[in-house]
Amino acid sequence: DAKTTQPNSMESNEEEPVHLPCNHSTISGTDYIHWYRQLPSQGPEYVIHGLTSNVNNRMASLAIAEDRKSSTLILHRATLRDAAVYYCILVNTGANSKLTFGKGITLSVRP
Amino acid sequence: DTAVSQTPKYLVTQMGNDKSIKCEQNLGHDTMYWYKQDSKKFLKIMFSYNNKELIINETVPNRFSPKSPDKAHLNLHINSLELGDSAVYFCASSRTGRRTEAFFGQGTRLTVV
Repeated sequence: DAKTTQPNSMESNEEEPVHLPCNHSTISGTDYIHWYRQLPSQGPEYVIHGLTSNVNNRMASLAIAEDRKSSTLILHRATLRDAAVYYCILVNTGANSKLTFGKGITLSVRP
Repeated sequence: DTAVSQTPKYLVTQMGNDKSIKCEQNLGHDTMYWYKQDSKKFLKIMFSYNNKELIINETVPNRFSPKSPDKAHLNLHINSLELGDSAVYFCASSRTGRRTEAFFGQGTRLTVV
């Protein structure tokens, strides 16, 4: 499985935008970029995914570099509830598709 | 309605016992998974079932046996529990494919004493 690299942690202020980076320099042409987050004492939760184009949904935006070797998850206005571990994951195969979680990035949000 | 539900939420048991964790999904997904999250918070896949057939078994000890009676259920049975089995176990489900999202249960915290 292609690997992803994320900073260990990041801090942000409430109601400010947050940009969470992810490097995936060995990404293959058929890998999708998925983001999940895990709030304290909860199971992981899907955030967003994309292939080549930038994506927006109600939770976040995903900006994908033109060469696809990096991506950035954007939370437009951080809330205290967004404090979580965010995982950037590459997903490839079909029937054997699985999520291989790394360490993720721990986001802290200051009031 | 809870999409992926696991029972029990907490399980405390003694070494050597046998226990089961149940998982049910009401999303109509064809693939279900078990993940283990240890004390260092690493999430690792254990098993994956697609249409009731085992497709991923990530070198998990034989004491762990998943059972999928139908596509909506994937139970985890653990024999001869050891201290090192203490962890949070997450069930998840998805549709087959790279573009689909996985839904996770709330987890079962297993403590072996």
